[in-house]
Order: sequence, then C-alpha cells, then structure tokens
Amino acid sequence: ETGVTQTPRHLVMGMTNKKSLKCEQHLGHNAMYWYKQSAKKPLELMFVYNFKEQTENNSVPSRFSPECPNSSHLFLHLHTLQPEDSALYLCASSQARRSNTGELFFGEGSRLTVL
Amino acid sequence: AQTVTQSQPEMSVQEAETVTLSCTYDTSESNYYLFWYKQPPSRQMILVIRQEAYKQQNATENRFSVNFQKAAKSFSLKISDSQLGDTAMYFCALRSPSGTYKYIFGTGTRLKVLA
Repeated sequence: ETGVTQTPRHLVMGMTNKKSLKCEQHLGHNAMYWYKQSAKKPLELMFVYNFKEQTENNSVPSRFSPECPNSSHLFLHLHTLQPEDSALYLCASSQARRSNTGELFFGEGSRLTVL
Repeated sequence: AQTVTQSQPEMSVQEAETVTLSCTYDTSESNYYLFWYKQPPSRQMILVIRQEAYKQQNATENRFSVNFQKAAKSFSLKISDSQLGDTAMYFCALRSPSGTYKYIFGTGTRLKVLA
C-alpha cells in the first residue's frame, strides 16, 4: 500500500462507547496530524506528532486521546464523545522542514457519527 | 495570528470554461508557503499546486495556475479548460517555516463544473 491509509472509513458510536481511529503512512514522513473537518468550518488541527513526539495539541478535549507508537502509525482514541463530535476526521503526514514546502498528504478520512 | 480567508463558499463553471477561486491570507512572516488542495466528493484531499512566497513567479501545474500577489496577500487559483472531474471542494492553506508543522486552512470553496 502507498500513501496514507485510515481505518475505519465509517464509524457510528454511542456516547458511552470507546473506539479508536487508526492511521498509517507509507511515505517515510516525519510528521503526522489529526484534523477535524466539519461542514462550513475550516479544517481544525487537533494534534501533531513529529518523530513520535507530540508537538501540537490544539486545546482538544480530553475525550480525544492520540497515540503515536512510531513514525508510521497514529491513533485517535475516542471515549464518551458528544453528538457535536460527529465529523470527518482526517489524518495527514508530511516531511516538513524549514527548507521545503512540506505539503500534507491526506488519508481518505474516517466519518464519525455519535448518537 | 495567521489567517486564511476564502470568500466564495460556492462557485460553478461551465465545462471548458475558466474559473478563478479567491484566497486572501494574513501573516507577519516574510517567508511562507501557500497551497491549494482539492477534495473531490467522498474522496481524498490532494495537493493541486504550491507556491513559495520568496518566488515571484506564479506557480503553474497543467491547467491550474495561481496569481500570487504578495503585497496584497492574495493567492487565487485559476482553473483553465474546466473538466467535470474538477468538481470538488478547494481549500487554500498557509504554512510558515517558523511554524513548521502548523498549516492554516480556509473554509473552502465548493466548485461545481457543469456539463
């Protein structure tokens, strides 16, 4: 497989459930990201990991818990979510350095519905 | 704070015609990178074109070109000879080297190409 792969593509969960989103990149990039995409809003950066170290936590509620065991894998653990958390969750990776453009490569997203 | 503004929520264009999508941004940095991303319906977000702020020449990728006006902080995307496959959400994004892993996105423009 190439690029950035996200699983599952669709997830429906109740507010008391615990589930996880998974992301894997096969591009050899050093940085991985979680974004939340809601209708008519800019992409919201949630978390950034650089070489497994979290470098950004954009004031995300604790019911979202990221995990980055290595540079190729990123998880988003979900628990006691709210209906307003329903959205498309996008994973991305990049080889971002000051000296290059470091564009993002995105996965197809995980569509989350919280009942 | 850095911001990206896309003032056209929706646009339509006839097949084979030319359309221009607007983007303005604000940053205090002198060097930065600008991107246009395309997100087709239910498909992956992909890079369309990128521009390095220190390069005066406008970037071009086949039918896609930009009009980069650094003083005006404007970064518009021109699509020539529009095709049905160009139907998508288009996002403008900004990255500063000093914020190496942080990308700022606009709210997007939904483009529909009409047959």
